[in-house]
Amino acid sequence: AQKVTQAQTEISVVEKEDVTLDCVYETRDTTYYLFWYKQPPSGELVFLIRRNSFDEQNEISGRYSWNFQKSTSSFNFTITASQVVDSAVYFCRPMNYGGSQGNLIFGKGTKLSVKP
Amino acid sequence: DAGVTQSPTHLIKTRGQQVTLRCSPKSGHDTVSWYQQALGQGPQFIFQYYEEEERQRGNFPDRFSGHQYPNYSSELNVNALLLGDSALYLCASSLAMEIYGYTFGSGTRLTVV
Repeated sequence: AQKVTQAQTEISVVEKEDVTLDCVYETRDTTYYLFWYKQPPSGELVFLIRRNSFDEQNEISGRYSWNFQKSTSSFNFTITASQVVDSAVYFCRPMNYGGSQGNLIFGKGTKLSVKP
Repeated sequence: DAGVTQSPTHLIKTRGQQVTLRCSPKSGHDTVSWYQQALGQGPQFIFQYYEEEERQRGNFPDRFSGHQYPNYSSELNVNALLLGDSALYLCASSLAMEIYGYTFGSGTRLTVV
């Protein structure tokens, strides 16, 4: 069975601090995708990034960076120089390569509060 | 380019009633998925429609049913509403089984009293 864990329920930082959100995905599958989504207070889930299990290169997009380590099944997300607009709930979710929806699960999310 | 449109935005129903929620997918998307999100929780997968057929289903009772039309729009129907059905219902559209990431709507907030 697959399991995705976001151990941090809530994180509070002050603006301009760096913050890392953790995600651990446990599976027997050797090939899969991992996604990060952002859900601001408006409720709409926004797709941030998709990585596949073959690609362990870190990716940077502006203030966002992602670190995937297959050996530890972790797919962590770092926001550099956080801003108040980053305040949201962030979800990690997996999907296997075949597109099978049997493991259509989201993590429970990490609520990030960035204070001015 | 319009994204995913859901209606209504908010809805209040009485226990035992039936409700229909609607979703128009993003232009160019052919797959629609529905999720239920209780307060403080991650979204839970209800079902997914492709080519007007239910392709996958999560662990939800038969009271939850859906439909997809030829124009790819979709409906979620819930019969015999329970208080526990109160949640944010999210519709997500995608192309080819979400390989490229869902586009989510803003959701319908359903309150059952």
